[in-house]
Order: sequence, then C-alpha cells, then structure tokens
Amino acid sequence: QVQLQESGPGLVKPSQTLSLTCTVSGGSISSGSYYWSWIRQPAGKGLEWIGRIYTSGSTNYNPSLKSRVTISVDTSKNQFSLKLSSVTAADTAVYYCARAKSSTMDCWGQGTLVTVSS
Amino acid sequence: QAGLTQPPSVSKGLRQTATLTCTGNSNNVGNQGAAWLQQHQGHPPKLLSYRNNNRPSGISERFSASRSGNTASLTITGLQPEDEADYYCSAWDSSLSALVFGTGTKVTVL
Repeated sequence: QVQLQESGPGLVKPSQTLSLTCTVSGGSISSGSYYWSWIRQPAGKGLEWIGRIYTSGSTNYNPSLKSRVTISVDTSKNQFSLKLSSVTAADTAVYYCARAKSSTMDCWGQGTLVTVSS
Repeated sequence: QAGLTQPPSVSKGLRQTATLTCTGNSNNVGNQGAAWLQQHQGHPPKLLSYRNNNRPSGISERFSASRSGNTASLTITGLQPEDEADYYCSAWDSSLSALVFGTGTKVTVL
C-alpha cells in the first residue's frame, strides 16, 4: 500500500523560499499513470490546490501561485518536491502531498505545518 | 482562482439523510464531474467518491454521489456520529488547467 510522507522545515522566514519533499513508499513513483500533487490548508480554512507533476515531468500549477511555485520529481529517490518562493504570512498552512489518478486524489500524506514568521 | 460553491454547514439527526451540494460551471463539475473528500479535524482528507459515483474500496455504501448539470451532490444516508466532518468537492477545471476545490461543508450529526 502506497504511503506518502511530507518533510521539510516547519518555520520559514518571510521573503524566503519554502521547500518541502514528499517521500513515496510502498510503490514506485514512476509506475502507473499518476500525478503527484501538493495541496495546502491554512488553519481553520479550506483546501487549496498548489499544483501537480506527472511522472514524465510535466506540471500544472494553480494560476494564483504559478509565478512562485516549482514542483519537481526525483524518481531515483522516489520523491517529489515543492518550492514556493517569496513567502509571506499568508503562506502559513498545513501542506499535504497526494497521489492523483487524473484529477482524483486517492492517497494523501499526513500533512506538515509550515509557519512563515521572522 | 474561482472555486466550487458548497453550503457552509449541514445539520441532521442521527440516522437521518444529509445531502451536500457542490456548484461549479461547465468547465469543471459540468465537464468531468466531481470527487468528494471527507476530512476529520486534525487529519488529512480521505477520498469518498470520484467521477460522480465511484467509491474507493472500503468506503461505505451510505455515501453516494451524483451530478446534475453543473451541480454535484453527495448523499449520506443513516448518519452516524463518525460522519461529523468537513466535506470537500473537487474537480478539474479545463479552462484553468487546474484543480479547484469546493469551499467545504461542515456536517453536524445532532
């Protein structure tokens, strides 16, 4: 059974770059026609889709975040990553990684809280 | 980014039926249908249904989904205390080339 686990700094300073990694276990990130996605959720608020990457490397991003987001994949490590630049307090949220078949996210990580503060 | 519209809250009695709605447009819900996710406080979302009424294995038959035009619906029959959670719909928006989420509905079981 595939499992996903987010990792990365829990505290990022304003204007810096947030970097998170999602490690996939129990299956190869390259197998199957899956998209690997990032989603975030500010405390007490709803879900916001950040973007996704296909195993071929093609990406789609949320238009409102596109200028600041980069998602990449490292098949040798069975990981995919998120970079969000020029962060502000508004980027404080729980960040989830998830596996998606087409647009359906069927497997989620537990989430990691990232706080943007000096 | 335009999202999908859901009622903020729904309250029903134990063993009653709750119907949640998710309204989008012809580029998202009306095009490819919606998925439904359940999220308990402090936990990641869990997929309940996709492409309108396909349930992953292990999901109770008490959860059923449908779509009419640009509105998707999730019906929960025989409400149980463990059904108290936030429910989100999601759909791919072909005009944005992006996934959009609903605003979320908090279900309370009285």
